[in-house]
Amino acid sequence: GAVVSQHPSWVICKSGTSVKIECRSLDFQATTMFWYRQFPKQSLMLMATSNEGSKATYEQGVEKDKFLINHASLTLSTLTVTSAHPEDSSFYICSAVGLAGWVTDTQYFGPGTRLTVL
Amino acid sequence: GQSLEQPSEVTAVEGAIVQINCTYQTSGFYGLSWYQQHDGGAPTFLSYNALDGLEETGRFSSFLSRSDSYGYLLLQELQMKDSASYFCAVSHASGGYQKVTFGTGTKLQVIP
Repeated sequence: GAVVSQHPSWVICKSGTSVKIECRSLDFQATTMFWYRQFPKQSLMLMATSNEGSKATYEQGVEKDKFLINHASLTLSTLTVTSAHPEDSSFYICSAVGLAGWVTDTQYFGPGTRLTVL
Repeated sequence: GQSLEQPSEVTAVEGAIVQINCTYQTSGFYGLSWYQQHDGGAPTFLSYNALDGLEETGRFSSFLSRSDSYGYLLLQELQMKDSASYFCAVSHASGGYQKVTFGTGTKLQVIP
């Protein structure tokens, strides 16, 4: 159980275009989903915290107008990178916490989406 | 803010035991987690300590000392497939939410 999927797994786009990444919890309801970004050989950096039905909370330095997050249901959150530029090229990973997740603090990670902006 | 320190690289021999240490500074501490990440893959959850002491899960054990702001991950009977990056992560309160901040990661290389 506790499977999180991401789509697409990789995407290549032209500079200036927008890219949408989906994160789904397949077999549990996720009250909270997190979006991380990881550059090569670096750690995961939290971009935003997404709670179902409310606005996302963005980390300092993350532009909310550039990285649009929607958490429309307990099983789906989307991240849209608007007007992507080459410096946005990175590995984007989502994670989800279930209703009882904070007891064990288990975050279930999606497989990640590798974005390359040309 | 939060800060975590762990060694950047560790090399160990197949079949041996290796310990990866993590020290942290944070406010509103809830617990310490460990994640494994193979190159090109997503992190996978290994363990979580909210209380002092040792948690054992198969070949992996994790320890926490809240008073020392210190924890470690112990890997026994190392296998080649254990070669990966290992991240410690603290769960902490922030702005009314519970968040997780990751360390910089330790790259473990298991050699024959």
